Amino acid sequence: DTEVTQTPKHLVMGMTNKKSLKCEQHMGHRAMYWYKQKAKKPPELMFVYSYEKLSINESVPSRFSPECPNSSLLNLHLHALQPEDSALYLCASSQGTGSSYEQYFGPGTRLTVT
Amino acid sequence: AQKVTQAQTEISVVEKEDVTLDCVYETRDTTYYLFWYKQPPSGELVFLIRRNSFDEQNEISGRYSWNFQKSTSSFNFTITASQVVDSAVYFCALSEASRNNAGNMLTFGGGTRLMVKP
Repeated sequence: DTEVTQTPKHLVMGMTNKKSLKCEQHMGHRAMYWYKQKAKKPPELMFVYSYEKLSINESVPSRFSPECPNSSLLNLHLHALQPEDSALYLCASSQGTGSSYEQYFGPGTRLTVT
Repeated sequence: AQKVTQAQTEISVVEKEDVTLDCVYETRDTTYYLFWYKQPPSGELVFLIRRNSFDEQNEISGRYSWNFQKSTSSFNFTITASQVVDSAVYFCALSEASRNNAGNMLTFGGGTRLMVKP
């Protein structure tokens, strides 16, 4: 089973709202990732969790707050977002943290900030 | 610095035609990995293949084949007898061993949108 699930599929939120995106994998993968993808662009890495610890933060604004409650779950908490944050948010996981490991992606959450 | 270039932003073919998607990369590492991903309209990136820098053997998987040439820093992807279901955005990505101690940081190309018409 190479499935990564993400909820919700779509989310519309106002700039004052607080919401969370959820990602889950049951492949025993030890690294999990959040990406942001704007239309007609490649995914941009936001955060990496390695063995449930935040290992990489690509200078993401503090209105995005990641959380890894356990080895299977990854959350992205959203607060006071801007319209330019509207994008497809993708979660991925890989078996290990090295450069040889392919990443498996979820279907994404399409976020619209109004 | 690492870089991946996919010069073809969009390609349109008619079903059953063969099509090649180009990928050129730049890296100073001697150990690196190259990947291809497919992103259909549904949004999910689907892993297709991984190649390491020491293995230049070409690979074939059904209608898909990959040609890796270190001499030209290219990792091209060919779809034989294309089908409508092949319509998607295809990304080539590079991962360098020296950058990836805490997570596999992929450098993506800009993507090639392939449209296969019936």
